[in-house]
Amino acid sequence: DAGVIQSPRHEVTEMGQEVTLRCKPISGHDYLFWYRQTMMRGLELLIYFNNNVPIDDSGMPEDRFSAKMPNASFSTLKIQPSEPRDSAVYFCASSALGRGTYNEQFFGPGTRLTVL
Amino acid sequence: GQQVMQIPQYQHVQEGEDFTTYCNSSTTLSNIQWYKQRPGGHPVFLIQLVKSGEVKKQKRLTFQFGEAKKNSSLHITATQTTDVGTYFCAEARLTGGGNKLTFGTGTQLKVEL
Repeated sequence: DAGVIQSPRHEVTEMGQEVTLRCKPISGHDYLFWYRQTMMRGLELLIYFNNNVPIDDSGMPEDRFSAKMPNASFSTLKIQPSEPRDSAVYFCASSALGRGTYNEQFFGPGTRLTVL
Repeated sequence: GQQVMQIPQYQHVQEGEDFTTYCNSSTTLSNIQWYKQRPGGHPVFLIQLVKSGEVKKQKRLTFQFGEAKKNSSLHITATQTTDVGTYFCAEARLTGGGNKLTFGTGTQLKVEL
């Protein structure tokens, strides 16, 4: 398996532009997570999905952020309009169904976003 | 909300020295997972601790879960340059059958020759 795939790996954009980050989870994994990592705030969970359904989006910073998972093999995180403070590394992670146990999460390589 | 603090924030050691990072919580933790992130890389799962007082070893790495399940530690014996990176603890909470991770603040380890 290729692991979690994210694209693009790097994105540089100007303030006000729309940014779309993409993620393909590991095949067969039922959970998909979006994280943001910055020096100031560390690793933050933004939103996660179970079987393509958003379960908890309490970490989404504001309405400018939205996430979708149209099918089991694809998810997007969109920022519109982008702002310089959105600059961060965005990770996607997936895990298998827990069935009452704690399962490890597999992280993608991340997308480094720079908003000028 | 739940916060998991890690100390130290940074640690520089000479190759061959030991290293320990501590993870502390003000409330009881259901479990602890440890992840390692190499510079420029992504978090990679190392291990999971669930039981009070649990100790697990992976070669030179020793993981402990406190008796009260409010703290955990990761100890590396005789560090090597390949140990460089940031080590995170994370609490996994079961929600609808899956895990929601709350990451600690991380400890960045640098190993000098």
